[in-house]
Amino acid sequence: KQEVTQIPAALSVPEGENLVLNCSFTDSAIYNLQWFRQDPGKGLTSLLLIQSSQREQTSGRLNASLDKSSGRSTLYIAASQPGDSATYLCAVRINYGQNFVFGPGTRLSVLP
Amino acid sequence: EAGVAQSPRYKIIEKRQSVAFWCNPISGHATLYWYQQILGQGPKLLIQFQNNGVVDDSQLPKDRFSAERLKGVDSTLKIQPAKLEDSAVYLCASSFPGTGRRNTEAFFGQGTRLTVV
Repeated sequence: KQEVTQIPAALSVPEGENLVLNCSFTDSAIYNLQWFRQDPGKGLTSLLLIQSSQREQTSGRLNASLDKSSGRSTLYIAASQPGDSATYLCAVRINYGQNFVFGPGTRLSVLP
Repeated sequence: EAGVAQSPRYKIIEKRQSVAFWCNPISGHATLYWYQQILGQGPKLLIQFQNNGVVDDSQLPKDRFSAERLKGVDSTLKIQPAKLEDSAVYLCASSFPGTGRRNTEAFFGQGTRLTVV
């Protein structure tokens, strides 16, 4: 059974810092991995999707990497801003057409 | 493109009452998911539809939860009777089965926050 964990559970940083969020999964046979952002009381917003054949994806100040063999993904946020404050969730899809298994999320606070 | 629509946004009911949630996926998306998110946890799949057929409902508490997707478009999720532990956010998501980043990406609605008192 696929299990997803995220470290740290919460993180507080001053504005402008670069930071890394970690995601680990127990079964390396995944189809793809997706990072989401969730603001309080809101739904999930897709940030980046990495296919199993890819090593990384970039969007603006965000960079996500994937190491299937070690069961890890990282989300790198450059030059953090207060508007980045949210909960970040990673989710893995085991096979094409199947559902996502989510981690518990990392709650990020960026202080002005 | 229009996003995934859910209603209501909030619902407060007493235990043992019934409640229903509605979801309208992105046009053309064949796959629809219902997730339950308890405070402080990641979403957990309740049921997955492919068109109007059920792909996975292994984690759906079938003694009290039911879901349908008539005509392969809109979907409703019902809880009857509700328990205190059903208090959570219920998220609906949709995706289009295909190849490439856009086609396998999942899109989520705003969710329905249910409080059972």
